[in-house]
Amino acid sequence: EVQLVESGGGLVQPGGSLRLSCAASGFTVSSNYMSWVRQAPGKGLEWVSVIYSGGSTYYADSVKGRFTISRDNSKNTLYLQMNSLRAEDTAVYYCARCPPRDMYFDYWGQGTLVTVSS
Amino acid sequence: EIVMTQSPATLSVSPGERATLSCRASQSVSSNLAWYQQKPGQAPRLLIYGASTRATGIPARFSGSGSGTEFTLTISSLQSEDFAVYYCQQYNNWPTFGQGTKVEIK
Repeated sequence: EVQLVESGGGLVQPGGSLRLSCAASGFTVSSNYMSWVRQAPGKGLEWVSVIYSGGSTYYADSVKGRFTISRDNSKNTLYLQMNSLRAEDTAVYYCARCPPRDMYFDYWGQGTLVTVSS
Repeated sequence: EIVMTQSPATLSVSPGERATLSCRASQSVSSNLAWYQQKPGQAPRLLIYGASTRATGIPARFSGSGSGTEFTLTISSLQSEDFAVYYCQQYNNWPTFGQGTKVEIK
């Protein structure tokens, strides 16, 4: 059974940093495209970043230069390092699996809440 | 960026009735269109991909159609568990989502 479990969210001050983790089971993270998608409170969904099976990484313009996606193959875990956080980064962050070579999301984690506030 | 526009914002439907949700893309996305269902406090769930292919375990009352810029999600006979927010998402380019349609009980 495919499972994704996020952790690492919390309250952080503007300008601060946070690292999110997404532990996967039931499949191999490095064999799939893996993404982060966020949802601000009461708002819609926004794609944040993707790491391809080959290791290439891509970001939405809103986070480019501030966020870094990575993975640890030995732990079958996906990460999102978030630096220079802003109030507008406040959201529930979901990790999501993509099927091979497509960027829709067939499995989602339960999400972790990041709140950026002083 | 491809902008996805969903209509209506809210759809009031009685249980057992048919619901039709629309999604329009600002430019052609071919058939690279997915639909998701989200209930309060839960993660989105994939319903449809490739504009018309049901995901694993999705009931046959959910169907998708369209290509290019115009897409439709139809729920043939609404069940109590179908009242939720529905999002479309294109993946012809970097992923973008519509703003959602809330299906509520009439």
